[in-house]
Amino acid sequence: KAGVTQTPRYLIKTRGQQVTLSCSPISGHRSVSWYQQTPGQGLQFLFEYFSETQRNKGNFPGRFSGRQFSNSRSEMNVSTLELGDSALYLCASSPGVGTGELFFGEGSRLTVL
Amino acid sequence: AQSVTQLDSHVSVSEGTPVLLRCNYSSSYSPSLFWYVQHPNKGLQLLLKYTSAATLVKGINGFEAEFKKSETSFHLTKPSAHMSDAAEYFCVFGGFKTIFGAGTRLFVKA
Repeated sequence: KAGVTQTPRYLIKTRGQQVTLSCSPISGHRSVSWYQQTPGQGLQFLFEYFSETQRNKGNFPGRFSGRQFSNSRSEMNVSTLELGDSALYLCASSPGVGTGELFFGEGSRLTVL
Repeated sequence: AQSVTQLDSHVSVSEGTPVLLRCNYSSSYSPSLFWYVQHPNKGLQLLLKYTSAATLVKGINGFEAEFKKSETSFHLTKPSAHMSDAAEYFCVFGGFKTIFGAGTRLFVKA
């Protein structure tokens, strides 16, 4: 069974630009969650989707958004990039919600210059 | 409110010696608890999970954890550290909202 796939793995953007990151969950998994990981703030929850509906949202500004498609694939978007958005963005999938058993992708490393 | 606290931000051990990574939790109901490991520039991988079936949980790579309700703890242990165990470890509370601990970085000295 293929794991969670995140694309792109690495990207460099400049301040003010926007970025879209993609996540393909494990086949059959309907829950997808996103996390931002930085050396200073650690692992922070962004949002969780289940069956195309946002179920939970972390404490991030509105520049951070996401969506989930009918095939459970998910995208997150960050608009008007700031230097502080440089981070590893991790996606995780799960068969259901609220189980804590998550399957992570390798992440998308975003650098904002 | 539910929470998890990892008591050490860094732990350093010598290869071949035991590993102990500490995690305390707070919950008003019976929790689901997990340990994940993250190697540099990689995603997180599930090491083991507790879901009330047995208090001593065995995971991958020789790790195990014991759920102690009286102490509200879920410490991760391994009898003998290997260089490849050097990584960051996260204690996680699973429920309506998944809650991650701050992480413990494990260093293994040769």
